[in-house]
Amino acid sequence: EPEVTQTPSHQVTQMGQEVILRCVPISNHLYFYWYRQILGQKVEFLVSFYNNEISEKSEIFDDQFSVERPDGSNFTLKIRSTKLEDSAMYFCASSAASPMNTEAFFGQGTRLTVV
Amino acid sequence: AQKITQTQPGMFVQEKEAVTLDCTYDTSDQSYGLFWYKQPSSGEMIFLIYQGSYDEQNATEGRYSLNFQKARKSANLVISASQLGDSAMYFCAMREGAGGTSYGKLTFGQGTILTVHP
Repeated sequence: EPEVTQTPSHQVTQMGQEVILRCVPISNHLYFYWYRQILGQKVEFLVSFYNNEISEKSEIFDDQFSVERPDGSNFTLKIRSTKLEDSAMYFCASSAASPMNTEAFFGQGTRLTVV
Repeated sequence: AQKITQTQPGMFVQEKEAVTLDCTYDTSDQSYGLFWYKQPSSGEMIFLIYQGSYDEQNATEGRYSLNFQKARKSANLVISASQLGDSAMYFCAMREGAGGTSYGKLTFGQGTILTVHP
């Protein structure tokens, strides 16, 4: 069964450092997303990406964040200068051509710890 | 105002019994989708069931069913014949928007922790 793959599963980084979280969405999907979940809290939308550009972003997704689809398979989230409050689980997700009535498939998440 | 509200922080159920997890939503859109995801302690998000706003029948997927009451704006998840492996966090989520304006963003509720007792 196709799945969304995220790497690494865990990342520890020092405050102020840049991190890149990587995702391989399901191959025939067209819509890509990043969400985050601070420990014990709800899942929050960060950004959606369609047709090689950001289609929607939340207030959380400020200038410190960027996304890229550098080739036909990878989808990355970069945090330029990490802060302690960026510590969270980050989920990548993808949807097929009609996202309104199909589920988003989530990766297993990357747990980011900023120290 | 919260778009998705799950009022039960925690629920307990006996193995083999049925349990209902509550979810209410708030939207002015006519076209929207409602989803339930399961998050076990390992952390991954597992899709369970989907209900479209125009679907007249309640969605069912195996032991999961969605009790959709559109006028009340509720989309409760019913798990029948609970199993120990059902112990997890459960999230209700909504997709809004139609007419090409939606890119499929999900808005999640706060979640309900379900514990199944043997």
